[in-house]
Amino acid sequence: AQKITQTQPGMFVQEKEAVTLDCTYDTSDPSYGLFWYKQPSSGEMIFLIYQGSYDQQNATEGRYSLNFQKARKSANLVISASQLGDSAMYFCAMREGGKEKLTFGTGTRLTIIP
Amino acid sequence: GAVVSQHPSWVICKSGTSVKIECRSLDFQATTMFWYRQFPKQSLMLMATSNEGSKATYEQGVEKDKFLINHASLTLSTLTVTSAHPEDSSFYICSASQGPVDTQYFGPGTRLLVL
Repeated sequence: AQKITQTQPGMFVQEKEAVTLDCTYDTSDPSYGLFWYKQPSSGEMIFLIYQGSYDQQNATEGRYSLNFQKARKSANLVISASQLGDSAMYFCAMREGGKEKLTFGTGTRLTIIP
Repeated sequence: GAVVSQHPSWVICKSGTSVKIECRSLDFQATTMFWYRQFPKQSLMLMATSNEGSKATYEQGVEKDKFLINHASLTLSTLTVTSAHPEDSSFYICSASQGPVDTQYFGPGTRLLVL
């Protein structure tokens, strides 16, 4: 079974609109961390936001927020007021317990339309 | 903060040659570094995890004699692709973290093309 599932291979969104990128995860470990990374066409992976499984509040970083629904095992990324520069691949990732390894989803390609 | 560099950014080499890729953490000490491989339009696949001063831990299916990893200091890890072949052509990207369970910060990646 996939540990991280991103069901949207691609999305097109109008500039200035908000966008939600879906991510569901599967783990039996009560302690885990969820990450979102952005990968522009240049290839670098840019860390966006982190949510710990025990965090009481949803994580926010500027225009990025994480809609963490623990019971549903979802960790959707919300980008408010999208910009052309937001066009990129977005990867959701999970680290379980005290493990070092990150497991990545298959990614969502977001295209912002002017 | 949390800047990771990689060198070279791209390399083209002949089949049979060895290629060394460097990964450096510029503004923090990286106890742990990770090496990933990414094929076009696919996700990142972890190749190995290296802790400073220790032997790297390789993922299943990754040949340790083919992909040599050295993490001799808290700011530098190297990946050497030995006797590269066309099927080794890929995008290699490293990440570094201050501790094994801290946030991983990624380098810009290295595109390898083996002719």
